[in-house]
Amino acid sequence: KQEVTQIPAALSVPEGENLVLNCSFTDSAIYNLQWFRQDPGKGLTSLLLIQSSQREQTSGRLNASLDKSSGRSTLYIAASQPGDSATYLCAAMGYGGSQGNLIFGKGTKLSVKP
Amino acid sequence: SQTIHQWPATLVQPVGSPLSLECTVEGTSNPNLYWYRQAAGRGLQLLFYSVGIGQISSEVPQNLSASRPQDRQFILSSKKLLLSDSGFYLCAWSEGQGLEETQYFGPGTRLLVL
Repeated sequence: KQEVTQIPAALSVPEGENLVLNCSFTDSAIYNLQWFRQDPGKGLTSLLLIQSSQREQTSGRLNASLDKSSGRSTLYIAASQPGDSATYLCAAMGYGGSQGNLIFGKGTKLSVKP
Repeated sequence: SQTIHQWPATLVQPVGSPLSLECTVEGTSNPNLYWYRQAAGRGLQLLFYSVGIGQISSEVPQNLSASRPQDRQFILSSKKLLLSDSGFYLCAWSEGQGLEETQYFGPGTRLLVL
């Protein structure tokens, strides 16, 4: 059974810092790995999706990496801003059936202080 | 502990056929319930949310509808499916009085309309 873990559960940093959020998964047989942002009252926003055959994806100040062999993904945020404050979720998508589909971690709550 | 179930896990339906996706939550009372869709290349989109039995709010106009016949049951329906309805459907729940509470997601249903 796939399990996704995110560390740390909460993180507070001053504005301008570069930071890394960690995600680990127990079953390497994934279809893709996704990172989401959750803002209060706005549901989820999809940030980056890494296919199982890829090693990283970049969007603006965000870079996500995937290492299937070690069961890890990281989300790197460069030059953090107060607007980056949100909960960040990673989710592993399996191949359906008993594996389930999208298995989420519990998230990392990020607070960027001005 | 709380759990959320969705079924079916995978569904292939012809265009014009009806749809019924079910979501149930265990271990909590009076949760807020949500339906999301993740279509190819579009990220995750909030479709409906419900704060109580019979109370449904629609975020995006479409040929889908939602119903909440019981406190912990949320159903997504369509009378006639379109090709564009294909995607990955996620149900989520949260507790508390507002929609800003952390949402917990089910494993999803993968729908393919042919």
